[in-house]
Amino acid sequence: AQSVTQLGSHVSVSEGALVLLRCNYSSSVPPYLFWYVQYPNQGLQLLLKYTTGATLVKGINGFEAEFKKSETSFHLTKPSAHMSDAAEYFCAVSVEYGNKLVFGAGTILRVKS
Amino acid sequence: GAVVSQHPSRVICKSGTSVKIECRSLDFQATTMFWYRQFPKQSLMLMATSNEGSKATYEQGVEKDKFLINHASLTLSTLTVTSAHPEDSSFYICSARDPGPGSMRYTFGSGTRLTVV
Repeated sequence: AQSVTQLGSHVSVSEGALVLLRCNYSSSVPPYLFWYVQYPNQGLQLLLKYTTGATLVKGINGFEAEFKKSETSFHLTKPSAHMSDAAEYFCAVSVEYGNKLVFGAGTILRVKS
Repeated sequence: GAVVSQHPSRVICKSGTSVKIECRSLDFQATTMFWYRQFPKQSLMLMATSNEGSKATYEQGVEKDKFLINHASLTLSTLTVTSAHPEDSSFYICSARDPGPGSMRYTFGSGTRLTVV
């Protein structure tokens, strides 16, 4: 069965600093990978996803992630943090088209002014 | 883009009563919808997969008789929490899969905060 591990339940960065949120997955077959953002008391908004093709995926709000099969990783980055990026971020994996998503435990990003 | 509307956003009910949560896909037909539960400061746990016109598939450990799921049309799925108890208090989120070819797009509702008193 597939699983997702997000290293660091809380990450704190200064405004303007690099954001790096880590995600490792476990899957016996090529995965589909997602990053979602959740603001308090709201649903999830898709930041980006990897299905096939280019391993560097660009998403909304300046975020990007790189699929590294050899490292089973899909880390999320953003060159310069903004206060509005403060939220909880979830990495998710699906191993079959249209199949359910399995979520990581989430990482709360705090941005300091 | 795809929009999923979830209602109500907040509900408070008395212990022993039932609560219905609706999830609608507004601009696409969703043959498959998913229901998640999220405890405070925790991740989303899949409760069940709802397929239009057939019985829902529940995850292990989820009580089918307590969490009734109905997906009677291509745009509406409902989750009914029956005989609710305080331990059922949680944040419930639905998700619909866009059936577009190769989309792998899952759109989430805004969630329902259920408080059982």
